[in-house]
Amino acid sequence: GENVEQHPSTLSVQEGDSAVIKCTYSDSASNYFPWYKQELGKRPQLIIDIRSNVGEKKDQRIAVTLNKTAKHFSLHITETQPEDSAVYFCAAKWDNNDMRFGAGTRLTVKP
Amino acid sequence: SAVISQKPSRDICQRGTSLTIQCQVDSQVTMMFWYRQQPGQSLTLIATANQGSEATYESGFVIDKFPISRPNLTFSTLTVSNMSPEDSSIYLCSGVTYATEAFFGQGTRLTVV
Repeated sequence: GENVEQHPSTLSVQEGDSAVIKCTYSDSASNYFPWYKQELGKRPQLIIDIRSNVGEKKDQRIAVTLNKTAKHFSLHITETQPEDSAVYFCAAKWDNNDMRFGAGTRLTVKP
Repeated sequence: SAVISQKPSRDICQRGTSLTIQCQVDSQVTMMFWYRQQPGQSLTLIATANQGSEATYESGFVIDKFPISRPNLTFSTLTVSNMSPEDSSIYLCSGVTYATEAFFGQGTRLTVV
């Protein structure tokens, strides 16, 4: 089955700096890679996603890159703000709609 | 996007009892998943629930302890049976369709005393 690994498990940055979270997946048939943000006490919410036919996608301060050959994808947050502090999860989905999540990254943005 | 209503949102239960958590989706989803999560920690997949077939359980989880129903494409239940304090956690359901990402219920915070 699919295995998704996520690094780092915790990340602390100064406000205004960039944050990068990386994930690798094992099943080359995976074709959809969403990222979720979970604030304390709330459900995970989709923040950005990328499909396997695209190498990069950007939405304001967040971007995701995908390297299909290497089977890894990354989340980039620029100009971080304290409200970006949360737990971030990557995921991989394949044709049968099964979806697996990484273990999560706790991001802390220090003011 | 789909909306998943999960209930109860929280409960405090006596050890040895069972609790059934329900998730209702406002549209049809092909797959539903049940997770357990400690606050701020990773999502631990309990099982995948498909309509019309038995759920597929992950290693460490068994049907007798966590029976799951999926009677149609918009509804699923997870029962936590014969509860002990170690079952205290947040339980989350999610649904996925072919064209969408996973949507989550709001979670059930379970405390077993």
